[in-house]
Amino acid sequence: DTEVTQTPKHLVMGMTNKKSLKCEQHMGHRAMYWYKQKAKKPPELMFVYSYEKLSINESVPSRFSPECPNSSLLNLHLHALQPEDSALYLCASSQARGAGGTEAFFGQGTRLTVV
Amino acid sequence: GESVGLHLPTLSVQEGDNSIINCAYSNSASDYFIWYKQESGKGPQFIIDIRSNMDKRQGQRVTVLLNKTVKHLSLQIAATQPGDSAVYFCAVLSGTSYGKLTFGQGTILTVHP
Repeated sequence: DTEVTQTPKHLVMGMTNKKSLKCEQHMGHRAMYWYKQKAKKPPELMFVYSYEKLSINESVPSRFSPECPNSSLLNLHLHALQPEDSALYLCASSQARGAGGTEAFFGQGTRLTVV
Repeated sequence: GESVGLHLPTLSVQEGDNSIINCAYSNSASDYFIWYKQESGKGPQFIIDIRSNMDKRQGQRVTVLLNKTVKHLSLQIAATQPGDSAVYFCAVLSGTSYGKLTFGQGTILTVHP
């Protein structure tokens, strides 16, 4: 199984809503990532979890809150988002670099629209 | 900070032609350079990587060339097929326990039958 599964595929939320994006992988990868991709732009890193600990927060606003409940799951909690946060949110996983990991596996993403 | 850029934003080729996609990078400390393919409605998919101590690596129908002197990376696709139509991103890999990717702007490859 070389899949990263993201749910939901599409999400429309109001600026006062609270929602969560979910990501799951069963490849035994110990590094998991959230990227944000705006239309016609490259993915931009938001967060990195390494061995279930937050390793990188790329100065992401606090209205985005990541969570890594276990080595297979990664969540992104959303609260009080702005319309400019509308984007494709991609989850990825990889082996730890020490285990030779260079290939990141991406999910299909969640297309988020904030209204 | 890291900067990865592409020379050509779009590339149109005929089926069967060879395609070359180029990328420039700025951080000489990067140890891996990677090409990703992103089809419409999907996440990026790993194509091939090259370590900084190499100058060429071949895969199935793809070749990556690395020129560290001019900080240039290219992806060559042989006998391009309509299924190769996608956005191609170069990326540099950094980080020690994890793999942080910094992507270039992307090239849209369109293959005409």
